[in-house]
Amino acid sequence: NAGVTQTPKFQVLKTGQSMTLQCAQDMNHEYMSWYRQDPGMGLRLIHYSVGAGITDQGEVPNGYNVSRSTTEDFPLRLLSAAPSQTSVYFCASSYPSTGGGEQYFGPGTRLTVT
Amino acid sequence: QQQVKQSPQSLIVQKGGISIINCAYENTAFDYFPWYQQFPGKGPALLIAIRPDVSEKKEGRFTISFNKSAKQFSLHIMDSQPGDSATYFCAARESNFNKFYFGSGTKLNVKP
Repeated sequence: NAGVTQTPKFQVLKTGQSMTLQCAQDMNHEYMSWYRQDPGMGLRLIHYSVGAGITDQGEVPNGYNVSRSTTEDFPLRLLSAAPSQTSVYFCASSYPSTGGGEQYFGPGTRLTVT
Repeated sequence: QQQVKQSPQSLIVQKGGISIINCAYENTAFDYFPWYQQFPGKGPALLIAIRPDVSEKKEGRFTISFNKSAKQFSLHIMDSQPGDSATYFCAARESNFNKFYFGSGTKLNVKP
């Protein structure tokens, strides 16, 4: 199992450009999430999905778009990049569990917007 | 407004000592409280987790203490080792939506 994979590992964008961060998992997890990690802020939830075709907003959704057409893939789209979106982005997946639900994280994408 | 407050921001401990990281929350809809460990350049990985119907959980050198009435929980690392040097995040899950909220992180440095 590859687990959760993310591409690219690094990306530099100019203000106003758009791009898609890719996330895929091969564990057949229903739940997938996108987080951004900023110094001193921990991880903040951007968008999440509880299954194919179902997505919802997290804490910081503005400027980002998601879709979930398959169980495996959960791409994150930056519509018009801004310097405030410079961050490290993590994708995570988990299975539904009433008692818990371990999240498995990808290796991250480091994005710089100039 | 951060839903899970974590302290301290950084921690230096001598090898063999005890590392203690604290977290607090307000939302009573949280039903699962994991701790994650993150090494530089890597994604977070689950270390240990607890449910609110349990006051303590121990796995090896790692223990979570949970105080439901105070809405606080903490991670204790016994016999801390240099290999434990990492950033630690507490988190809480809002059960209705399977949404996780993370603390701001604690950078632990264990000196040999």
